[in-house]
Amino acid sequence: QQKVQQSPESLTVSEGAMASLNCTFSDRSSDNFRWYRQHSGKGLEVLVSIFSDGEKEEGSFTAHLNRASLHVFLHIREPQPSDSALYLCAVRMNYNQGKLIFGQGTKLSIKP
Amino acid sequence: EAAVTQSPRSKVAVTGGKVTLSCHQTNNHDYMYWYRQDTGHGLRLIHYSYVADSTEKGDIPDGYKASRPSQENFSLILELASLSQTAVYFCASTGGGNERLFFGHGTKLSVL
Repeated sequence: QQKVQQSPESLTVSEGAMASLNCTFSDRSSDNFRWYRQHSGKGLEVLVSIFSDGEKEEGSFTAHLNRASLHVFLHIREPQPSDSALYLCAVRMNYNQGKLIFGQGTKLSIKP
Repeated sequence: EAAVTQSPRSKVAVTGGKVTLSCHQTNNHDYMYWYRQDTGHGLRLIHYSYVADSTEKGDIPDGYKASRPSQENFSLILELASLSQTAVYFCASTGGGNERLFFGHGTKLSVL
């Protein structure tokens, strides 16, 4: 059964410093990876999608996928206090009729 | 703009009662999902569907049923609501492949 785990559970970073979040998955046949952000009490906002090994940049967000090591990272460049939120990783299996699994999230706090 | 509409937006139910959460999409999408989110945590997959008249169990299906009577509609049914089912429920749809995932606004369910 596909497992998606995120680390750390929570992270505090100073404003302007790089923030790095980790997502590990268990099935190498997974073909579709997305990072979302959720501010408290709000809906989900997609940040970056990546479908092949390597890097994908969207604004200040960069996703890095390494399928061999079963990792997908999210790097946030020069985060602001407004980037404080719950960050969620989502992984889709390319079989099993499109089953889409989320990690448990990383709570990111940006200190001014 | 593609849309996913959930109803109701919030509901208070009594323990042992029946609850039906509805989801309607106008995106012509094949894939639909029901997730639950407990405060401050990630999304857990309850049921999903990749075609009308068929549903699949997700990771936490116990206590929930799903129904996909048409491509546009996907319902989540709690036959005997319990306190532990208090959560926010999100519906989502996608066309598959690398297409974007669209979320509803969520339904806040409180079981008393």
